[in-house]
Amino acid sequence: GENVEQHPSTLSVQEGDSAVIKCTYSDSASNYFPWYKQELGKRPQLIIDIRSNVGEKKDQRIAVTLNKTAKHFSLHITETQPEDSAVYFCAAPFRGDYKLSFGAGTTVTVRA
Amino acid sequence: ETGVTQSPTHLIKTRGQQVTLRCSSQSGHNTVSWYQQALGQGPQFIFQYYREEENGRGNFPPRFSGLQFPNYSSELNVNALELDDSALYLCASTFFGSYEQYFGPGTRLTVT
Repeated sequence: GENVEQHPSTLSVQEGDSAVIKCTYSDSASNYFPWYKQELGKRPQLIIDIRSNVGEKKDQRIAVTLNKTAKHFSLHITETQPEDSAVYFCAAPFRGDYKLSFGAGTTVTVRA
Repeated sequence: ETGVTQSPTHLIKTRGQQVTLRCSSQSGHNTVSWYQQALGQGPQFIFQYYREEENGRGNFPPRFSGLQFPNYSSELNVNALELDDSALYLCASTFFGSYEQYFGPGTRLTVT
C-alpha cells in the first residue's frame, strides 16, 4: 500500500510562531492529500486538503503546499494559538484508490 | 445533517472473545471505511464497504470482518481477539468515489 512518512513526530512552538509538518508519499499516482487534526480523546477532523492540480492552498492560518515532483507535501500553521495543540496526521490515497493511508502523526504543543 | 456516530464508546474484552462494533454513517453518505488506531499511531485502513459489499481491504487477517446494511450503517466484527487488537476503532463515511472522509468518535477496545 501507500507509504506515507511524516516528520517531525513532535513539535513544540511558542505561541505566535509558525509550525511546519512535512510528509512524503511513495505512489506517484496519488492525487489527494488531506490533513487531519485529532485532539486528545476526539475524532480526527479534516482541516484542509489539496489536490494534485494545485501547488498551494490556504484557509486562514493554515496552508498546505504540494511538490509532486519530490512527492512531498507540508502543513503550515501561522500565528499558532494554544488551541492548535493536537496531533496532526497527513494522508494519501491507498493504492491509488479512494482509501487513505495515514502518516504516524505529529504532536504539536503550543507554549503560552 | 447528522454526523458519524459509533457505539459503544468503550469496550473491554478477554483474549479469544469476539466483538462487534457499530457505526452510523453521516446522512447521505453511502460508503464506510473502518480504521484501527493503535496508541500513538496513525489510523490503519482495515476495509471499506459500498453497496453492502467489501470494496478493498488493508493488511488485516480474515478474523476482521464487516457488514454494511441498506441504511448504510455498518458493523466491524473481530473474532478470536488478541492483545494487539487493543486500539481505537474508527469508522469514516463518505460518498462513493470521493476522497473526503468524515470520522466517527471511535470505539476504544481493550483486550485483556
